[in-house]
Amino acid sequence: EAGVTQSPTHLIKTRGQQATLRCSPISGHTSVYWYQQALGLGLQFLLWYDEGEERNRGNFPPRFSGRQFPNYSSELNVNALELEDSALYLCASTSLAGVSNEQFFGPGTRLTVL
Amino acid sequence: GENVEQHPSTLSVQEGDSAVIKCTYSDSASNYFPWYKQELGKGPQLIIDIRSNVGEKKDQRIAVTLNKTAKHFSLHITETQPEDSAVYFCAAISNTGNQFYFGTGTSLTVIP
Repeated sequence: EAGVTQSPTHLIKTRGQQATLRCSPISGHTSVYWYQQALGLGLQFLLWYDEGEERNRGNFPPRFSGRQFPNYSSELNVNALELEDSALYLCASTSLAGVSNEQFFGPGTRLTVL
Repeated sequence: GENVEQHPSTLSVQEGDSAVIKCTYSDSASNYFPWYKQELGKGPQLIIDIRSNVGEKKDQRIAVTLNKTAKHFSLHITETQPEDSAVYFCAAISNTGNQFYFGTGTSLTVIP
């Protein structure tokens, strides 16, 4: 069974540009979570999608947005990039909407903003 | 919201020794506490979890203890091996919440 996949592996952008990150959950999983992992920091919750709907978002500005497609894959968009957006962005999926279940993480996308 | 604190931030042990990582949480409604291991260049992977209806859970060399009264839980790794070297994250989640709250991570180094 394939795990959670993310693309691209690395992404380099300049300030003010937009970045799009993609995630494919494990087959059969309907919930997708996005996290930001800045260097030296823990995982900060960004967004949660389930069945195509945004269920919750963390304490991030509106320029962080995303969506979930009918096949449950998801996209994270970051507009007006700032230097401090440089981080590892992790996607996780789970089979149940209830969060008290194991989340399976992808390898992440390393975003560098110059 | 929930606040999860994790200590220590770095930990070095000799191979064969035990390692203990501790986390505290603030929301008494939290009822699920997973531990994740993140190796370099990879996403976190669940290694063990515990729910609030039990006080301890063990899986081979790894164990987790939970003290609901004190609102803290700990990861115990015995007979450490070099391949245990990684960053470990604790997390807490409640029934009423809908997101994970992660600790800031512990970088464990096992010295051969």
